[in-house]
Amino acid sequence: QVQLVQSGAEVKKPGASVKVSCKASGYTFTGYYMHWVRQAPGQGLEWMGWINPNSGGTNYAQKFQGRVTMTRDTSISTAYMELSRLRSDDTAVYYCAKILIAAAGTGFDPWGQGTLVTVSS
Amino acid sequence: QSALTQPASVSGSPGQSITISCTGTSSDVGGYNYVSWYQQHPGKAPKLMIYEVSNRPSGVSNRFSGSKSGNTASLTISGLQAEDEADYYCSSYTSSSTLEYVFGTGTKVTVL
Repeated sequence: QVQLVQSGAEVKKPGASVKVSCKASGYTFTGYYMHWVRQAPGQGLEWMGWINPNSGGTNYAQKFQGRVTMTRDTSISTAYMELSRLRSDDTAVYYCAKILIAAAGTGFDPWGQGTLVTVSS
Repeated sequence: QSALTQPASVSGSPGQSITISCTGTSSDVGGYNYVSWYQQHPGKAPKLMIYEVSNRPSGVSNRFSGSKSGNTASLTISGLQAEDEADYYCSSYTSSSTLEYVFGTGTKVTVL
């Protein structure tokens, strides 16, 4: 079955960077865009951007441009999201999510289990 | 890009039907037939319930249905069950040139 497995929880200091991984299985990794979404404690979902695993092309939400980098390693079907210059308000659960259908605009399914990133001095 | 507007909470008794609204603009909800709905139980990852306004993924109960009129999309849950108590988020595609998305503010559904 289609599955996304993310790396474990991280604790970082303000100003540091964090890199979260998302290993895909059960489908052709290069055939579907991968999206990243975050959720601060007690808050709603926030879309961060996507990566095209086939070409490596990316698009980031304006809020994160300059601080986020999404990459992939097709040899191990893994996508990565790196966020730099961390602040306390970056404390959140970060999710990867596969586009359901290989077509623009459709929904995200499935989602990874989430990775808690805590930013604290 | 501003978040789509949802009611903070909706409640209903078992067996009843409830509807959650999701209001955006002509640049997102009203501009594309690409509205999705997600269910999220506490401590769990979101689960896709509806995509492209009214389509259900395989395995999702037909008690869940979606629709759209103008800049407002809606999710209806019929025959409300205790397991439906969760947070629900809508999402919309917002740009055909850069493939961007926006989520709703979220709605807590309580089964009385």
